[in-house]
Formats: sequence, C-alpha cells, structure tokens
Amino acid sequence: QVHLVESGGGVVQRGASLRLSCAASGFRFSSYGMHWVRQAPGKGPEWLAFIRYDGSDKYYADSVKGRFTISRDNSKNTLYLQINSLRPEDTAVYYCAKGNSEALFDYWGQGTLVTVSS
Amino acid sequence: QPLLTQPTSLSASPGASARFTCTLRSGISVATYRIYWYQQKPGSLPRFLLRYKSDSDRQQGSGVPSRFSGSKDASTNAGLLFIFGLQSEDEADYYCAIWYNNTSVVFGGGTKLTVL
Repeated sequence: QVHLVESGGGVVQRGASLRLSCAASGFRFSSYGMHWVRQAPGKGPEWLAFIRYDGSDKYYADSVKGRFTISRDNSKNTLYLQINSLRPEDTAVYYCAKGNSEALFDYWGQGTLVTVSS
Repeated sequence: QPLLTQPTSLSASPGASARFTCTLRSGISVATYRIYWYQQKPGSLPRFLLRYKSDSDRQQGSGVPSRFSGSKDASTNAGLLFIFGLQSEDEADYYCAIWYNNTSVVFGGGTKLTVL
C-alpha cells in the first residue's frame, strides 16, 4: 500500500527557510519520479517541482525557480523540498505526489501546512 | 493569458449532463497534449478522473465510472470533460492539467460544479 507522509511545515516569518520531507513506503521509491504540489487556502493546486526517479532531472514551476530545490535520497525513500526566502504568498498545504505516466500523479500525501507571516 | 483556462463555475441538475472546458492558450495546440482531469471535494485530495488525448490514447482512473468521459474540441482548442447522469455526489471542483513541454505540470484554475 502506497504511503506518503510529509513533514517539516510550520509557522515561519517572511524570509525564513524550510525543508519539507516526504517519507515514502509501499512502493519501489527509487523507480518513480516524484512531484511537489501546493494548494493555498481556497485555491486550486499549483504544481511546484518534479524530480526523476534517479534525481538526474529536476523541473520547476517558473514561480518558484531559484527559491525552491527538490531533491531525493533513494536510500532513505525520502523526497525533499528546500524552500528559501519564504513569502506570505507561499502559505499553503504542500503535498508530495508519486509520479505516474498515465495519471501524472497517482498517490498523494496528506500534506504539510506552511504558514508564512509578514 | 493563462496557459489553461477553465470557467469558474458550472451548474446543472441531477440526471443532466455537465460539460467542462479547458481551453489552451493560443499558440499551444490541444492536439499535442494529453489532458488530465481531476476532481476535488472539500477537505479531500485531488482524485484522478481520466486522461484524454485521442480515442486511442485515453485512460480512465481506477474506479471512475464510465459516465465520466473525455474529449477535445479542436475548433476551440479545448479539452473537454463530460459527466453524464449527474449525481449530487459529483458536486466538486474539477481541474484540468497538462504535462507542458515535458518539463512542467500546469493546472487550470478549476471549475466548481454545483448540482442543483
């Protein structure tokens, strides 16, 4: 059974940094690309970043390029998102999602809330 | 102009059909892309409904009933989602998405379906 558990969110001040983690289980983590997606309160999903199964390629939304860094440790079955220079508009629930060529995302974690105060 | 444009809201009656549109920005051809559709109910995660590029390149989500169907309208450069035989449980937000230029995922702004 696929299980994705995000952690690392919290309440931070503008300009702070956070590293989010996503612990994966129930599938061969090292064989799948992974995504980060966020959803601000009352808004639709916003895709943030994707990393290939082996970390060889990373792609970012233009809105976060340069501030966000996606990475993974296949030995720990864990996905990461480093977020720097946080802004109030980064306030959202951050989800990791397992990549799937048929559906884009086939499993999602329950998310971790990041709140940025000004 | 957003890459994917969806109407903000749609209303329909139980038993009727609903037609959702996802219009691609001018210069980006709908024929090129697989259009992915997701349903999201309040407090829940997005659920994959289906993917449609052509009649020979389509995928229904696991457990998604056949009354959810995808198509395209080349004349308006739009991906389409149809829900036939609307039920009250279909009331939700519906999002389209594409894997753009093989480097990024883009979501539409979503359409809120009200089943009156």
